[in-house]
Amino acid sequence: AQSVTQLGSHVSVSEGALVLLRCNYSSSVPPYLFWYVQYPNQGLQLLLKYTSAATLVKGINGFEAEFKKSETSFHLTKPSAHMSDAAEYFCAVSRAGTASKLTFGTGTRLQVTL
Amino acid sequence: DGGITQSPKYLFRKEGQNVTLSCEQNLNHDAMYWYRQDPGQGLRLIYYSQIVNDFQKGDIAEGYSVSREKKESFPLTVTSAQKNPTAFYLCASSEGANTEAFFGQGTRLTVV
Repeated sequence: AQSVTQLGSHVSVSEGALVLLRCNYSSSVPPYLFWYVQYPNQGLQLLLKYTSAATLVKGINGFEAEFKKSETSFHLTKPSAHMSDAAEYFCAVSRAGTASKLTFGTGTRLQVTL
Repeated sequence: DGGITQSPKYLFRKEGQNVTLSCEQNLNHDAMYWYRQDPGQGLRLIYYSQIVNDFQKGDIAEGYSVSREKKESFPLTVTSAQKNPTAFYLCASSEGANTEAFFGQGTRLTVV
């Protein structure tokens, strides 16, 4: 079985500050890991994915995440927050070699203040 | 434009009525999924289909049914057996193994 834990249901940062959203996973086999973003009343948009290639993954909108097997983590970062980054962010895991049946974390709502 | 279309965006039904949510994709993806989203609970998998005429239960299939008669369509029926049907429902598709899922814009179902 696989699972995802997102630490912090709400994170608030000032515009221009570092964004750090935490994700830890549990998987008995090599995982595929994803970060999605959701704006209010919208579907989910893929930010980035890890599929066992480079451990540092760059995504859209200046986000990146680093896969750390020893820490079972896949934290999402962005050097400088923008007001448009305010949204809900979901970390998800799927099992390599299977259909993309994702297990999601409970989400982190990012607030960006002036 | 290729994508996933869910309709309607908002849906209201009376308690005890069945309701069907539409999901159509023109991405030529083999796999399709239905998720339910509730505040503070993330997304939970209801049903998924890896190929036409085949589908499997997800984690919370009770009270729901699906069909997959065409590659591009995967409708979800919320039956009267579903005890708490009010939620945001998301449909997704993917090419198959080892690929990311693409999501529709969702249907917000409210049962009164």
